[in-house]
Amino acid sequence: EAQVTQNPRYLITVTGKKLTVTCSQNMNHEYMSWYRQDPGLGLRQIYYSMNVEVTDKGDVPEGYKVSRKEKRNFPLILESPSPNQTSLYFCASRYGQGSKFFGPGTRLTVL
Amino acid sequence: AQKVTQAQTEISVVEKEDVTLDCVYETRDTTYYLFWYKQPPSGELVFLIRRNSFDEQNEISGRYSWNFQKSTSSFNFTITASQVVDSAVYFCALRGSGAGSYQLTFGKGTKLSVIP
Repeated sequence: EAQVTQNPRYLITVTGKKLTVTCSQNMNHEYMSWYRQDPGLGLRQIYYSMNVEVTDKGDVPEGYKVSRKEKRNFPLILESPSPNQTSLYFCASRYGQGSKFFGPGTRLTVL
Repeated sequence: AQKVTQAQTEISVVEKEDVTLDCVYETRDTTYYLFWYKQPPSGELVFLIRRNSFDEQNEISGRYSWNFQKSTSSFNFTITASQVVDSAVYFCALRGSGAGSYQLTFGKGTKLSVIP
């Protein structure tokens, strides 16, 4: 089944404790991206990747890192999480000009 | 810069009523793509439709229909004979071409509540 998976789905952590949210797709898509969703703000893009080893900042990259060492994986790294990074995070992928497939979301709470 | 405006923050309708969700967009690209996504209470994002800027035909899929009007930069979504299962947040989104093709810009969403 074609899908985008994210782990973990839920995470509660404390300020400053490094964490990684994994994202994997099985559709051989070149393009992957991360979004965060906050009430009243909709979805905003954090980072995107056009292909392996090619990444770029979206609208709200501060406090996040990404890497794209393999085509299927695009982890989101929070080196020192802060409470303002409490949010619902979505990973997405697409091929060419196709439509985006979204993962199920990761609900992160930073205390 | 790209922008998507969904002026309706929340809408409530009684089951079986028709409802239209508005979407107005801004882009400088001559080729672009418009999308609608549904986010039910369970939280996942469900793709509903994609429309290319060079295809202004309206589309109908069951109880759903979409009205794309380039002249007014609008891409409105109508649900006919609404049902409780239609209760969700609906997002309109825009993707440009060229450098803009790497960013999917979302509106802030319209929360639809269908009351039985």
